[in-house]
Parts: sequence; structure tokens; C-alpha cells
Amino acid sequence: GAGVSQSPSNKVTEKGKDVELRCDPISGHTALYWYRQSLGQGLEFLIYFQGNSAPDKSGLPSDRFSAERTGGSVSTLTIQRTQQEDSAVYLCASSFGGKTEAFFGQGTRLTVV
Amino acid sequence: KQEVTQIPAALSVPEGENLVLNCSFTDSAIYNLQWFRQDPGKGLTSLLLIQSSQREQTSGRLNASLDKSSGRSTLYIAASQPGDSATYLCAVGVMISSGSARQLTFGSGTQLTVLP
Repeated sequence: GAGVSQSPSNKVTEKGKDVELRCDPISGHTALYWYRQSLGQGLEFLIYFQGNSAPDKSGLPSDRFSAERTGGSVSTLTIQRTQQEDSAVYLCASSFGGKTEAFFGQGTRLTVV
Repeated sequence: KQEVTQIPAALSVPEGENLVLNCSFTDSAIYNLQWFRQDPGKGLTSLLLIQSSQREQTSGRLNASLDKSSGRSTLYIAASQPGDSATYLCAVGVMISSGSARQLTFGSGTQLTVLP
């Protein structure tokens, strides 16, 4: 596709369930970022991938959060045993190399009820 | 730890006015700075990217400047239009984890309203 694609666009889940969020970066982009934006809040950095590698996972809020990237392309962010405080918009961005322009997807709005 | 501040938090101007949005950052060790706009309920749209070696970038009615040594950037919007109403975010690119990873650190944004 022409841009960064995220799915689903909206997800409502029950507290305690696991969810998987998907990000398809722009073709050829080696760098990929995940962010979280809670209601009325700024963007919170979660994790960065260069290729399939995530050198620093300290931005993930808890051990319930994990992320992987395969084939240097698609990335999934998994949240286990979701809590109400996980409700937020999860944004993914990609860039062609780390210093170039980053492009964001439209986000996944996660609501935990 | 890098901190990014945007002033003002909100701005309301009449259509046609020229305006300046400000962004400051605490650590000058950045590799680039990017301005985005975010419309309500939407993702981020990239406006301008300035590499650390550059002083400014222009796109249409937008001009962004960067003074890395003083930790400041401005986004100038000429002849504002109601369609410019959005939240404007600046983000600085920084290396983390002893240079093994990258991060865009965002300010909290300026909410712009252009009145017809």
C-alpha cells in the first residue's frame, strides 16, 4: 500500500483478554515505531524496530506488552490480560532508515471494558 | 532525558493571519526534527522534516526553522485558513540505548483554531 496500514482500526475487548494489533509499514521501510496516545495525552514511545530487531524494549509499559516484527515488514503489538488503563490509540510509524521522515498510520483505537 | 515543550498549548486566530508555533527541546543531541499535524480522531500527518545539519525547510505556506544549539524550532504558517485547524506536534529524533535504538520524542502539541 501507499501508506502505513494498521488493523483493526477499532477494537473493543473485555478486561483480561489478549489483543493483537497489526502494523503494515510502507514497503522498503526498515525502521518501525509503536506509540500509545491516551485520551487527551501526548504520544508515549513504546518500541523501535530496525529490521526485525528491537534493541530496547524498556518503553513497553509492562511485561504484558510484547512486540515482534517478521521479515522486516509486518509488526504485531500484543497486549496480554488487558486492563482498562490499556485503553488508548496505538499508533505505528515507519521510515526508510532511522534518520528519514517518519510516516504514521491511522492508529488502532483500543477500548477495554 | 530529552524533553520537548510546545508553546502555546492552544491558539485561536482569525483567517488570513500569519502565525508562529514554538517547540523547544532540552538536549541538542538530536539527528532530526519533524513537524506533524493531527486532526481529531486521526493519525499524524508529516508536514516538514529538518535534519540536524539544516536550518530550515519550506513547504507551501509552511516554514520550519531549527536552531539546534539553543534547542528551538518554530513552525511558521502564512495566511492561515480554517482548514489549518488541527493539533500541531513537533518531534525530535534521538538515539537511545547507547546508540543502538532510535526514538522520536514528542511535545504535547499546540491546538490551533483558525476562525473563518
